[in-house]
Amino acid sequence: DIPLTQSPSSLSASVGDGVTITCRASQDIDRSLSWYQQKPGQAPKLLIYAASSLHSGVPSRFSGSGSGTEFTLRISNLQPEDFATYYCQQSYLNPMYTFGQGTKLDIK
Amino acid sequence: QVTLKESGPALVQPTQTLTLTCTFSGFSLSTPQMRVSWIRQPPGKALEWVARIDWDGDKFYNTSLKTRLTISGDTSKNQVVLTMTNVDPLDTATYYCARISLATGSFFFDYWGPGILVTVSS
Repeated sequence: DIPLTQSPSSLSASVGDGVTITCRASQDIDRSLSWYQQKPGQAPKLLIYAASSLHSGVPSRFSGSGSGTEFTLRISNLQPEDFATYYCQQSYLNPMYTFGQGTKLDIK
Repeated sequence: QVTLKESGPALVQPTQTLTLTCTFSGFSLSTPQMRVSWIRQPPGKALEWVARIDWDGDKFYNTSLKTRLTISGDTSKNQVVLTMTNVDPLDTATYYCARISLATGSFFFDYWGPGILVTVSS
């Protein structure tokens, strides 16, 4: 297994703010990292794959970066619909995929 | 348009066998490079990958659950079935099926079903 650690576990922000969520892997995973958004009672939705590629239909205010062991998800100009929980997922150790523990983003 | 939907029992008794079905449309599991996975999420907790089946019949399981799992596919019905034996209350979770795609060396879950909450309790 490759554990993923997200930080912070939770954060509060206001509409219009920018936020950054970090995901750290226990070993080098190259760029095999994806990000998902999950709202209460809903399935996760893919935002970013291969560390920085934006999934079709995802707004450009979402961006991903990083490689190796440290990755970031950046959300600029927060919109009301962005308040949710975010998860990272690695596929370097295919197919033993693992997810981070999640980061809950709520309204300040 | 790709869609997936999970079905199965909402309540299962401890030690029994759980059978979940994922019915999908918009793609065929017989098409090369198609893969479908099951992922679960206990209430209030993080996601956990459970199993995967590929277009060529290859099957993969989470090592911590492997002895209790079987995944199978029916390409004529566009279905993937997951069975879990000897369930425990710790298996209580929302179970999702999701399609896996591969791009630039990264596997990711690009389409998900809405999920089904399964409670293990007597």
